[in-house]
Amino acid sequence: GQQVMQIPQYQHVQEGEDFTTYCNSSTTLSNIQWYKQRPGGHPVFLIQLVKSGEVKKQKRLTFQFGEAKKNSSLHITATQTTDVGTYFCAPASNFGNEKLTFGTGTRLTIIP
Amino acid sequence: EPEVTQTPSHQVTQMGQEVILRCVPISNHLYFYWYRQILGQKVEFLVSFYNNEISEKSEIFDDQFSVERPDGSNFTLKIRSTKLEDSAMYFCASSDPPSRSREAFFGQGTRLTVV
Repeated sequence: GQQVMQIPQYQHVQEGEDFTTYCNSSTTLSNIQWYKQRPGGHPVFLIQLVKSGEVKKQKRLTFQFGEAKKNSSLHITATQTTDVGTYFCAPASNFGNEKLTFGTGTRLTIIP
Repeated sequence: EPEVTQTPSHQVTQMGQEVILRCVPISNHLYFYWYRQILGQKVEFLVSFYNNEISEKSEIFDDQFSVERPDGSNFTLKIRSTKLEDSAMYFCASSDPPSRSREAFFGQGTRLTVV
């Protein structure tokens, strides 16, 4: 089945530093979504990328979809304590049922 | 803002007992899902449900599991005979048809502990 790996598994940064998580798929993707899960919380949708090489920005967050549509990244500029949580990439199935295959996740902790 | 609601928030059950986890998806959504997350691990797909039937299920979703949409609002996950390894957070999710948005809305989850 589809394998979606993320690196790093954990990232500890000083508040104000940048953070990047990388997502790699064993297969070519039709789309990829990103979710954030706060400690003790549930996954919350951040964004969806569909086009090869697509770049989308949400304030301090920049999302990128690779040219070959097999990888993606999320970059946070100048992290804040509110950024704490686990970030998951999740391709959605293209077979009509829209199931998500979550990546392994990157847990971000911020040192104030 | 519409949200997916799940009950109960916590459930402790003895091994071998049956449990039913309940969810109320967002009212105009057509796709419903159950996912689970073992503590500290990634979110795993269990089953998707569309048009009153299962559209896909994972290897985890064996004969001990079943889903039902008993009325127009509720969506339930039943585990027939719980095992210790069923202990996890179970998330219900719902989404619009893909023509509108693929975004999945997750409930707050039910933490199931099997003792």
